[in-house]
Amino acid sequence: EDQVTQSPEALRLQEGESSSLNCSYTVSGLRGLFWYRQDPGKGPEFLFTLYSAGEEKEKERLKATLTKKESFLHITAPKPEDSATYLCAVDGSARQLTFGSGTQLTVLP
Amino acid sequence: GAGVSQSPSNKVTEKGKDVELRCDPISGHTALYWYRQSLGQGLEFLIYFQGNSAPDKSGLPSDRFSAERTGGSVSTLTIQRTQQEDSAVYLCASSLEGGQGGFKQYFGPGTRLTVT
Repeated sequence: EDQVTQSPEALRLQEGESSSLNCSYTVSGLRGLFWYRQDPGKGPEFLFTLYSAGEEKEKERLKATLTKKESFLHITAPKPEDSATYLCAVDGSARQLTFGSGTQLTVLP
Repeated sequence: GAGVSQSPSNKVTEKGKDVELRCDPISGHTALYWYRQSLGQGLEFLIYFQGNSAPDKSGLPSDRFSAERTGGSVSTLTIQRTQQEDSAVYLCASSLEGGQGGFKQYFGPGTRLTVT
């Protein structure tokens, strides 16, 4: 059974204070690891897909990295508009995504 | 282009009533998924449709839940004899199956179901 654990559950940062979110996973045959952003009252919005260990992807202030056991979402110099819940999911043995419970990020001005 | 749409956006129903939730996927997407998100929880997979294949119903929590997809496009999730524990946000997603895009899923805004 695929499993995804995200930490921390919640994170409060000052504007400009860089940090990282963690996603640990166990899966039999990773087909892809996904990061989504979810704002209150909205559906998840796709950010990145990573397919193999060592892969990195960047988008504005966000950078996602992948190892064989975990993925990190690095946030550099965050702004208040980066406040959201960040979800990690794996596409593994089943043909549907298994999601973690998310990290709720708050960036204070 | 248009994204995934869901209706209604909010639904309040009495315990024991049946409800139908609708999802319109992105045109051309062959795969369609339903998830449930309870307060403070991650997304829980419910059911998956791919083209004309038999759906993967492995995530449906009970036989009160069913879903169909007509003409390979619009999908309806039906919950019979609703219970209070069914209260959640029901999310629909669609994706292009296979290819380099993998299973990147595009989500709709969800339907918030409240069972009183």
